[in-house]
Amino acid sequence: QVQLVESGGGVVQPGGSLKLSCEASGFSLNNNFMHWVRQTPGKGLEWVGVLQKDGSEQYSAESVKGRFTISRDLSKNTLHLEMNSLRPEDTAVYYCARGAGWVAASWGQGTLVSVSS
Amino acid sequence: EIVLTQSPGTLSLSPGERATLSCRATESVTKNYLAWYQQKPGQAPRLLIYGASSRAIGIPDRFSGSGSGTDFTLTISRLEPEDFAVYYCQQTAHSPLTFGGGTRVEMK
Repeated sequence: QVQLVESGGGVVQPGGSLKLSCEASGFSLNNNFMHWVRQTPGKGLEWVGVLQKDGSEQYSAESVKGRFTISRDLSKNTLHLEMNSLRPEDTAVYYCARGAGWVAASWGQGTLVSVSS
Repeated sequence: EIVLTQSPGTLSLSPGERATLSCRATESVTKNYLAWYQQKPGQAPRLLIYGASSRAIGIPDRFSGSGSGTDFTLTISRLEPEDFAVYYCQQTAHSPLTFGGGTRVEMK
């Protein structure tokens, strides 16, 4: 069955960088759109971005454009979110999700990123 | 970007009652590309409804979605104890994809 396991979260200082990973099993990344969604502690959901299934194009929220990059390693069936120039407002639980097109159909359990000095 | 407003913020109901949740968009959602998710404490969201009215795999038929254009509704016909949770709508028609602020369904 579909399983997604995020890793790489932690505490980072403002202006720093972090790379999250999402290991997928039960399906192949190259047949699916893949999303990142974040959730501020105690608050709602915010879509971060999506990688098209052929890996050719990424669409992102304005709040992360130019700072966050989505990529994938097909040999490891793993999705990545590279985050640069981190800000306190980027503090959140980050989820990866398998897309059924543009819909986030299956979600991982999330990894917590805390941006603080 | 399309802004989604969910109402009410909190719904207090008893098991067996009907729940009606609203999601209103600031502009028309093309092809009714509107999804609903359920989130329980400490868990990831779970897809319930896509395309405004199609149930995801494994979702009980007490959950139904309706609406078009700018006004959408999620209905839970008879609340079960496991349905008390937070529900989010999301439009998937236009980038950036956006979520509503959520409706909490709590036990009365």
